[in-house]
Amino acid sequence: KNEVEQSPQNLTAQEGEFITINCSYSVGISALHWLQQHPGGGIVSLFMLSSGKKKHGRLIATINIQEKHSSLHITASHPRDSAVYICAVQGPNTGNQFYFGTGTSLTVIP
Amino acid sequence: ETGVTQSPTHLIKTRGQQVTLRCSSQSGHNTVSWYQQALGQGPQFIFQYYREEENGRGNFPPRFSGLQFPNYSSELNVNALELDDSALYLCASSRSTSGISYEQYFGPGTRLTVT
Repeated sequence: KNEVEQSPQNLTAQEGEFITINCSYSVGISALHWLQQHPGGGIVSLFMLSSGKKKHGRLIATINIQEKHSSLHITASHPRDSAVYICAVQGPNTGNQFYFGTGTSLTVIP
Repeated sequence: ETGVTQSPTHLIKTRGQQVTLRCSSQSGHNTVSWYQQALGQGPQFIFQYYREEENGRGNFPPRFSGLQFPNYSSELNVNALELDDSALYLCASSRSTSGISYEQYFGPGTRLTVT
């Protein structure tokens, strides 16, 4: 079993739709990261969370430490949001090791 | 742009050879982490360097080794290359306090192909 599970694996949305990507983890963490990876490999760090909620533009990330669950929301989705979104966690219980989900591939259709 | 650079961008090597990949961290960052991402997979943590010492390691064999220099740049060395080592190698820099890392900034990656 993976330490980090994401859902859905693939997601297709119409431009303007509200999108939610979920992440569940099984290890104790000090922080959870949401990353965005475009075709060609470049990774951008979107959020680092240890509690509560963060917002940046049309992106919102929430985390529930007790339930070991995080969500990434995209409001008013746009074709340029098409990318792979990856959830990653780091420990005090992971020995500085980062565990990654396998990613959610998002395609936003105009 | 994150300020994290990696070289080379692409590399082709033959099975059994050795390779060195380089990463320059963002200004003010003292920690570098290395990841391997096989095609269609999520990144896998290789190891992390903090203040020139290894500060955590994933499930990779000893032929994967690293260095961090006083300017916090880093190298990843892979000996006795195998076909399965073909992947995108990503480095990420961050600022750490007492060995705990804060937000990571990723470089563009080095695409290694082993034939």
